[in-house]
Amino acid sequence: AQSVTQLGSHVSVSEGALVLLRCNYSSSVPPYLFWYVQYPNQGLQLLLKYTSAATLVKGINGFEAEFKKSETSFHLTKPSAHMSDAAEYFCAVRVSNTGNQFYFGTGTSLTVIP
Amino acid sequence: GAGVSQSPRYKVAKRGQDVALRCDPISGHVSLFWYQQALGQGPEFLTYFQNEAQLDKSGLPSDRFFAERPEGSVSTLKIQRTQQEDSAVYLCASSPSVGQPSWGYTFGSGTRLTVV
Repeated sequence: AQSVTQLGSHVSVSEGALVLLRCNYSSSVPPYLFWYVQYPNQGLQLLLKYTSAATLVKGINGFEAEFKKSETSFHLTKPSAHMSDAAEYFCAVRVSNTGNQFYFGTGTSLTVIP
Repeated sequence: GAGVSQSPRYKVAKRGQDVALRCDPISGHVSLFWYQQALGQGPEFLTYFQNEAQLDKSGLPSDRFFAERPEGSVSTLKIQRTQQEDSAVYLCASSPSVGQPSWGYTFGSGTRLTVV
């Protein structure tokens, strides 16, 4: 079975501080992993994705994530938080042998404190 | 269009009422998905279309939920005899590809359904 666990439903960081949002996955086959961001009253926007190429993936807005197979993790980081980063972040997994749908985590709400 | 368009943006329905939610995918996109996002939760898969064919409807929670895409473009999600537990944001997503799990999707802004 495929699943995603996001540790911490709410994370608060000071402006300029490191952002770390945690995601662990469970998959019986090599997964494709994604991070999406959702701003209030908007749809999901793709931040970055891991597709079995480089394990360190760079995305938009200065975010990056590292795939660690041994830890079954795909944590999202950003060196310096900006006020505009405040949003809901979702980790998601797709696997090639279970159809085309995503399995999403429950989300992490990021608050940036000025 | 430039993005995935969903209408209405907000819908309030009385319990027992039927509703229809519309999704206009990006022109030419083959794959279309519907997801349900309850308050404080991540999106959950409802159903998948490849062109006009509904290839997977395993996520539809009950037989009150019905989706169609008759001409392979616009899709409608219909909920009959709405219940309070149907209150959620319904997201539509489309993709130009078929069976490419490394692709992300383009999501619409969703329809927020509130059943009172």
